[in-house]
Amino acid sequence: DIQMTQSPSTLSASVGDRVTLTCRASQNINSWLAWYQQKPGKAPKLLIYKASSLESGVPSRFSGSGSGTEFTLTISSLQPDDFATYYCQQYNSYSRAFGPGTKLEIK
Amino acid sequence: EVQMLESGGGLVQPGGSLRLSCAASGFTFSTYAMGWVRQAPGKGLFWVSSIDYSGGVAYYADSVKGRFTISRDNSKSTLYLQVNSLRAEDTAVYYCAKISLASSNFDSWGQGTLVTVAS
Repeated sequence: DIQMTQSPSTLSASVGDRVTLTCRASQNINSWLAWYQQKPGKAPKLLIYKASSLESGVPSRFSGSGSGTEFTLTISSLQPDDFATYYCQQYNSYSRAFGPGTKLEIK
Repeated sequence: EVQMLESGGGLVQPGGSLRLSCAASGFTFSTYAMGWVRQAPGKGLFWVSSIDYSGGVAYYADSVKGRFTISRDNSKSTLYLQVNSLRAEDTAVYYCAKISLASSNFDSWGQGTLVTVAS
């Protein structure tokens, strides 16, 4: 099975910062990677699919890149609403494994 | 408006069973693949199972294979997850989610139903 890892596990940042979150797959998943945002007590929200495609309605400050085994999610200028936990998910194989998440905290 | 409403969760003893339901509305249910994702208290997301639009093809995470069964009734726009032989580690909020035709990802989610396995 494909295993996903994310780094860092926690990131402290300030409003206006540019931040980059990293996700790695244990084997080549081409560009079959998605990013989700989750806030406490809420269902996840799809942000990015196919590594770099922005889901409809998601602000353009979010962007994704990468292919193969290494991927990044970048938030160009953090807004107060962005402090949440971010998960990557592969969908190259039928087992849609999630990464363990990166919690983005206010510094 | 796309909506999914899960039900059927609750407190169950180890080894017990439950049937989770997800009533969908606001979209043509029979057109979309669907899935279940769970989240243990304070933990991350875990993909449990997915099913194609017709119900003919289903996939499971290894840890639930043989114990859980996903199904759907397109005439009722409802997704199901039969969970058997429950273990303490199955305790989680179970979300149903719709798989987008465009992105092949979970683009709409329900609010979740809590399953607690304890004696």
